[in-house]
Amino acid sequence: DTGVSQDPRHKITKRGQNVTFRCDPISEHNRLYWYRQTLGQGPEFLTYFQNEAQLEKSRLLSDRFSAERPKGSFSTLEIQRTEQGDSAMYLCASSFGLAQMGEQYFGPGTRLTVT
Amino acid sequence: AQSVTQPDIHITVSEGASLELRCNYSYGATPYLFWYVQSPGQGLQLLLKYFSGDTLVQGIKGFEAEFKRSQSSFNLRKPSVHWSDAAEYFCAVAHNAGNMLTFGGGTRLMVKP
Repeated sequence: DTGVSQDPRHKITKRGQNVTFRCDPISEHNRLYWYRQTLGQGPEFLTYFQNEAQLEKSRLLSDRFSAERPKGSFSTLEIQRTEQGDSAMYLCASSFGLAQMGEQYFGPGTRLTVT
Repeated sequence: AQSVTQPDIHITVSEGASLELRCNYSYGATPYLFWYVQSPGQGLQLLLKYFSGDTLVQGIKGFEAEFKRSQSSFNLRKPSVHWSDAAEYFCAVAHNAGNMLTFGGGTRLMVKP
């Protein structure tokens, strides 16, 4: 069990560019979550998957954001036409659960800086 | 909608002193409650959780928390703080244990030698 991994750990991009982040969950976990954390704040929920199905999306997830989990394993989060307000830490978490149970285990995050 | 409030943004305690971090939640039904710790450059680590049953829950690193339904609180405690406990602590609530977490704003703990 290697834990949740995220790549890259840091990304600096210019405003208007597209970026994509990857999350690899703990292997037996069927649920995968994305959160965003800005400086001095708690994480805020963005979206989650159960297997390959995206079951819930926050209103924070504008149409510039898209997330996929094509085979129910790793997930990608893409931000198109980045804005300075997108600068944040993007956290991925995974859990194992059916109707209930399963605490979330977090990865180290991807820190995005938009210049 | 569920919400979590951590009233103390910063707390400083002396090493060896006791600690209590406050957490208040707003949720209509029985909540699932969590405490996470985040050290600089690290991801969030789960300290403990409350799902049901005994309202005093034990976690890792000597932490415990008590669920008080009447006060809508889930305060985190440690009897004797170590310098390595300096970090940011987040309380979170989920309306079921597998669903999205709503976090409080966090409390930054500093430990004086």
